[in-house]
Amino acid sequence: EAGVTQFPSHSVIEKGQTVTLRCDPISGHDNLYWYRRVMGKEIKFLLHFVKESKQDESGMPNNRFLAERTGGTYSTLKVQPAELEDSGVYFCASSQARGYGYTFGSGTRLTVV
Amino acid sequence: DQQVKQNSPSLSVQEGRISILNCDYTNSMFDYFLWYKKYPAEGPTFLISISSIKDKNEDGRFTVFLNKSAKHLSLHIVPSQPGDSAVYFCAASRLTGGGNKLTFGTGTQLKVEL
Repeated sequence: EAGVTQFPSHSVIEKGQTVTLRCDPISGHDNLYWYRRVMGKEIKFLLHFVKESKQDESGMPNNRFLAERTGGTYSTLKVQPAELEDSGVYFCASSQARGYGYTFGSGTRLTVV
Repeated sequence: DQQVKQNSPSLSVQEGRISILNCDYTNSMFDYFLWYKKYPAEGPTFLISISSIKDKNEDGRFTVFLNKSAKHLSLHIVPSQPGDSAVYFCAASRLTGGGNKLTFGTGTQLKVEL
């Protein structure tokens, strides 16, 4: 089966611009998660979808971040406007059941200059 | 406030010897712990986990030990192989009331030398 796919793999944008990251989970996985790793630090939880509903968005840093999962399939994470501190690697993961068998994607490396 | 800590950013071990990676946590509500391995330009991959009702879990060359009173866990890799060179993340969660959220440490870069 295909794994979790994220694109783009890299994105370099200027401060103040908008960027949209996309995640395609494993087919049939109802649970989808977004995490972020800022350079050298821990991987931090951003939010969790169950199908198209936001189950937990306690990790979203501020209202410049907007995540959607229309139709319960792929998800997008939009950052608008981007700030320098938003730079990092954004990981998406999915799981079939409510459990810890996460499969992570390879991540999107976002650089804001 | 970092609830999961990996105080060693790097570890170097010779091939065939034991690698011991350590992790401490502060939140006593955590009841499930996991180790993930990450190669460059890839996402983390699940390695091994342990529930708080156990103190040891073994899977092939990998063993995780949990000391609840000390809020400490460790991952032992025996024997270490060059392909084990990667960043290892410790993660913790609450099975009850914690949803599916994982709290990660900052990672330890393991280098297994020939």
